[in-house]
Amino acid sequence: EAQVTQNPRYLITVTGKKLTVTCSQNMNHEYMSWYRQDPGLGLRQIYYSMNVEVTDKGDVPEGYKVSRKEKRNFPLILESPSPNQTSLYFCASSVSQQPYNEQFFGPGTRLTVL
Amino acid sequence: EDQVTQSPEALRLQEGESSSLNCSYTVSGLRGLFWYRQDPGKGPEFLFTLYSAGEEKEKERLKATLTKKESFLHITAPKPEDSATYLCAVQPLDGAGSYQLTFGKGTKLSVIP
Repeated sequence: EAQVTQNPRYLITVTGKKLTVTCSQNMNHEYMSWYRQDPGLGLRQIYYSMNVEVTDKGDVPEGYKVSRKEKRNFPLILESPSPNQTSLYFCASSVSQQPYNEQFFGPGTRLTVL
Repeated sequence: EDQVTQSPEALRLQEGESSSLNCSYTVSGLRGLFWYRQDPGKGPEFLFTLYSAGEEKEKERLKATLTKKESFLHITAPKPEDSATYLCAVQPLDGAGSYQLTFGKGTKLSVIP
């Protein structure tokens, strides 16, 4: 089944404790992206990747890191999480190097930083 | 800066009562405008891409249209299962953000039986 998977789905952590949210797609997609969704603010793009070893900042990259060492995986790293990073996070992928084709979204990761 | 404004924020319809959702956008040049549907607790699901003014696309009870400044998502004779949040997004043609999507805040649609 074609899908984007994220782990964990739910995470409660404390300020400053490094964490990684994994994202994997099995569709051989070039483009991958991370978004956060907050009430009243909508979906905002954090980082995106057009291919292996090619990443760039989105609209809200502060406090986040990403890497794309393999085509299928695009982990999101929070080196020192803070409460303002409490949010619902989505990973997405698209077949081309640009998002104008259909983006497939993962099921989301709900992160709470205390 | 690219901007996407969706209205209304929330809409309640009786089953069978047709209506439209609006997405107004500001972008230097448009590569594409996208509509997504999002159910509670789930990731957005792709509906349509529109590329140029005058373009229309249909899927079941949904029809999306595009002008140079806005897009409409028309819902004909909606059913309760159409209840969801509908998201609009734009991708600019070029420039620093040309590999990004800018999303609106969404319209939460509730269809009452």
